[in-house]
Amino acid sequence: KNQVEQSPQSLIILEGKNCTLQCNYTVSPFSNLRWYKQDTGRGPVSLTIMTFSENTKSNGRYTATLDADTKQSSLHITASQLSDSASYICVVNGYGGGNNRKLIWGLGTSLAVNP
Amino acid sequence: GAVVSQHPSRVICKSGTSVKIECRSLDFQATTMFWYRQFPKQSLMLMATSNEGSKATYEQGVEKDKFLINHASLTLSTLTVTSAHPEDSSFYICSARLTGLADYNEQFFGPGTRLTVL
Repeated sequence: KNQVEQSPQSLIILEGKNCTLQCNYTVSPFSNLRWYKQDTGRGPVSLTIMTFSENTKSNGRYTATLDADTKQSSLHITASQLSDSASYICVVNGYGGGNNRKLIWGLGTSLAVNP
Repeated sequence: GAVVSQHPSRVICKSGTSVKIECRSLDFQATTMFWYRQFPKQSLMLMATSNEGSKATYEQGVEKDKFLINHASLTLSTLTVTSAHPEDSSFYICSARLTGLADYNEQFFGPGTRLTVL
């Protein structure tokens, strides 16, 4: 069964600190992996999208890494801000037709940045 | 670019009534739109895939007669929750996929609609 697991489930950090969120997946075959930020009561917003051939991708203070061999990804947030408080969701897109092409969603990591 | 809007942002209705939610791609054409439902502290769950000009494809366990989807144009899809009940209370999110990027499956999400059924 295709799965996406994220850790930690929740995280509290102080403003200005860095943090790293983890994502392990078993989706195969695999097309791309993306990280979304979802504020409470809002729709997800894409942070990064990586294909299986990419190892790292940055978007401002967000840097995602991907190891397709071990099926692991991480999202590193640098110099956190209060506005970074949100749920961060790892989503894997299968490759191929039918169900393989669907997005497989993780449960997310709830990040709280405190002053 | 690639902005998706939803209307209304929140709705409260009585049990037994029907509610229509609109999803619009504002600055691009979307052959395919998706409808998701999200319960508190859970991940997004795909309900159906909506293709312009054809019938929607529903996920297993989603009642097509209860959740009516219409995708009449390349920029608008609607979800109608018929005879709503309290258990239908949820956060409904739509997304739109850029035409021609089916393999990449990049979707742009709307802001969501909070439905509360009393």
